Amino acid sequence: EAGVAQSPRYKIIEKRQSVAFWCNPISGHATLYWYQQILGQGPKLLIQFQNNGVVDDSQLPKDRFSAERLKGVDSTLKIQPAKLEDSAVYLCASSPRGWLAGSGELFFGEGSRLTVL
Amino acid sequence: GQQVMQIPQYQHVQEGEDFTTYCNSSTTLSNIQWYKQRPGGHPVFLIQLVKSGEVKKQKRLTFQFGEAKKNSSLHITATQTTDVGTYFCAADQTGANNLFFGTGTRLTVIP
Repeated sequence: EAGVAQSPRYKIIEKRQSVAFWCNPISGHATLYWYQQILGQGPKLLIQFQNNGVVDDSQLPKDRFSAERLKGVDSTLKIQPAKLEDSAVYLCASSPRGWLAGSGELFFGEGSRLTVL
Repeated sequence: GQQVMQIPQYQHVQEGEDFTTYCNSSTTLSNIQWYKQRPGGHPVFLIQLVKSGEVKKQKRLTFQFGEAKKNSSLHITATQTTDVGTYFCAADQTGANNLFFGTGTRLTVIP
């Protein structure tokens, strides 16, 4: 079974530029998550999708971050404009469980490492 | 968002010694999950605890969920170098798989 795919693996940009990350979850997984992991910290939930609807985006900095999951499959996370403090690994995860099906294991991708100069 | 604290932040042990990390939530949880992240890697699921007072074992790893469902612990017996990594608890308050990760405990095992 293929895992969660993310791209690009690495990205270096200057502040005020924009960047987009892509995630393709495990086939059939209804729930998709984007987490931000700053070096030395735990993953911070940015947004949770159930199919193509948003379940939780309370910690997403909406003035600069946006995410979508069109057609309820793959997802894109965009940052515009980037700030120095956005330097982090952006982890995508998926789960066959979700809003109505209760809790269960999250499967993480390898992550996209962003460096903002 | 959810506040989930883990202690200690770092732990260095000699190979063969035991290791314990503790996870504390400010609110009652529906369930809690544990993940391991190797250096340079991504979090990998270890286990999920659902019931009050639940204890689960996986070989040398023992997981416990507190009676009040606000805290949890992970204990490793006789650590090995393969146990190196950061251990995170992930708290689910609502039961909707809305997971908030703890601060993590970074384990170093000295051969």
